[in-house]
Formats: sequence, structure tokens, C-alpha cells
Amino acid sequence: IAGITQAPTSQILAAGRRMTLRCTQDMRHNAMYWYRQDLGLGLRLIHYSNTAGTTGKGEVPDGYSVSRANTDDFPLTLASAVPSQTSVYFCASSDSSVTGELFFGEGSRLTVL
Amino acid sequence: GQNIDQPTEMTATEGAIVQINCTYQTSGFNGLFWYQQHAGEAPTFLSYNVLDGLEEKGRFSSFLSRSKGYSYLLLKELQMKDSASYLCARMDSNYQLIWGAGTKLIIKP
Repeated sequence: IAGITQAPTSQILAAGRRMTLRCTQDMRHNAMYWYRQDLGLGLRLIHYSNTAGTTGKGEVPDGYSVSRANTDDFPLTLASAVPSQTSVYFCASSDSSVTGELFFGEGSRLTVL
Repeated sequence: GQNIDQPTEMTATEGAIVQINCTYQTSGFNGLFWYQQHAGEAPTFLSYNVLDGLEEKGRFSSFLSRSKGYSYLLLKELQMKDSASYLCARMDSNYQLIWGAGTKLIIKP
């Protein structure tokens, strides 16, 4: 693995189902982020983690949860998916929570029907 | 995006120069960032400005005026591969990035 990896790349999901998007980085970055990107809108922060063991809510956290058990992994869970959660999800990392130079994964395209 | 304004789309000619503007809310400012995002791909970091003035990096330059809440990204000697969306983002007082919706740049031969 080099950089930041997301899985799955794309997924179609029935409403009401539970879904976890995986994110793994091998850069030993302290800070990690989950964004969603929708047409016509800027990237919106869902949840973040400044360091392993801590998480925080971003701009649009409702319906999503995260965990940060170790430095490398930062999964995003949709407990009960709804159609409005159809989006492209990007995981990102940075070596510090006070730097804006983020490294992004390739994205996970999620469609909720 | 929240308090970040940039044009939705711009068109330019290969070999020319284009300037993409961005205006932002000045309160709680900790820096201005530009990212490039090709269609279907992840954003990649281009530049960071925290002080007023011009930062040059090859064919790309970024300018900041903190008092005016204004930045621009200047792309010179445009190449077809520069066709992409350019995302402006400001870092707020909590060190979180607030993103604009992006400017889609179309390069024509």
C-alpha cells in the first residue's frame, strides 16, 4: 500500500442497510478525515480524527459514525443508509491537524436506492 | 461552499493564461489553499497562502489578499492536461478546511 486506500470503490446499497467504508493510510499521518462530495457543492466534512483514539464531528455528521482504533485505519459507517447519502466519499489524511495539505484516497461512490 | 465563492466554470485556450478567482469570509482565517481535481479522481494539493502576496510554483501561481478576502490561482502556458476542477479552500479558526464548490476549467485547443 502506498498512500491512502479506500474500499469499496463503488457500491449500490438498499435503503436501510448498514454500510462501512474502509480507509487505510500507510504514511503514519496523525489526522484523518471523511468528506462527501456532491455536485455543485464543496467538499463537506463528515467526521475527523486529529489522532488515534479521538474523533470529532464535522459539518454533516448525522447518520454517520467513525472510529479510530489505530493510526492507520479510519472506517466510516452508515448505520441505516438513506437515499440522501448517495454521494462520493473521500477519505483524507494529513501529518498534522493544523496543516491543510491533505492527501486524499481515490473515493468511494455510494448509491443508496 | 460555505462562504467561499468561485466561478462555476471557465474556458481557456491551450497555451494561454487563466486566472481563477476566489473570495472568502475573512473572519477566523488560517490560510488559503488550492487543490486540483481531475474528473473522477481525488483532489490533489496545489498551493497554500497564509501571507499576502504571490507564491509561484512552476506554471502555477497563487495570490492572497487577506484584507480583501481574495485569492486567485494563475495558470500559465495552459496544457490540455490542466482541464480539471480547481478547488479553493480556507482554513478556519479550528484548523478545518471550508471548501468552495470548485471551478471547472475547460481547455480548448
